[in-house]
Amino acid sequence: EAGVTQFPSHSVIEKGQTVTLRCDPISGHDNLYWYRRVMGKEIKFLLHFVKESKQDESGMPNNRFLAERTGGTYSTLKVQPAELEDSGVYFCASSPTQGEAFFGQGTRLTVV
Amino acid sequence: GENVEQHPSTLSVQEGDSAVIKCTYSDSASNYFPWYKQELGKGPQLIIDIRSNVGEKKDQRIAVTLNKTAKHFSLHITETQPEDSAVYFCAATGSGYSTLTFGKGTMLLVSP
Repeated sequence: EAGVTQFPSHSVIEKGQTVTLRCDPISGHDNLYWYRRVMGKEIKFLLHFVKESKQDESGMPNNRFLAERTGGTYSTLKVQPAELEDSGVYFCASSPTQGEAFFGQGTRLTVV
Repeated sequence: GENVEQHPSTLSVQEGDSAVIKCTYSDSASNYFPWYKQELGKGPQLIIDIRSNVGEKKDQRIAVTLNKTAKHFSLHITETQPEDSAVYFCAATGSGYSTLTFGKGTMLLVSP
């Protein structure tokens, strides 16, 4: 069974540019989560989808971040415009039941 | 909201020794406590978890203990091997049981 896959694995962009991260969850998993780890700090929750609906987006840092999950399958996380402090590793996770999350390999975003 | 503290931040042991990582949490309503192992270039991988109705759980060389009264839980790895070297994260679910709050991680180094 394929795991959670994320694209791209790395992205380097200039401040002010736009970047879109993609996550393909495990097939059949209704729950999809985005997390972020800034250098040396804890992994922090960003938001949670149940199918195509946003269940909890309390962790989204500001309105420069937009997440979508059209059709309840894959999800995208867009950062526009990117700032230096957005650098970090963005993880996607999916689960068939709440709490048992399987993570993707992450996208390392560097804003210069 | 939930707050998880994790110690130590780094841990160096000799192959064959035991390693213990400790976490405390703040939300007494938390009921699920997973541990994740993250190897270089990979995403966090669930290695063991424990629910609040259990005090201890073992899986071969790894075990987790939970003290609900004191609100702390620990990961124990026995007979450590070089391939155990990685960053380990503890996590807890808050009262919503839908998102994970992570500790800052422990870098475990096992020397041959």
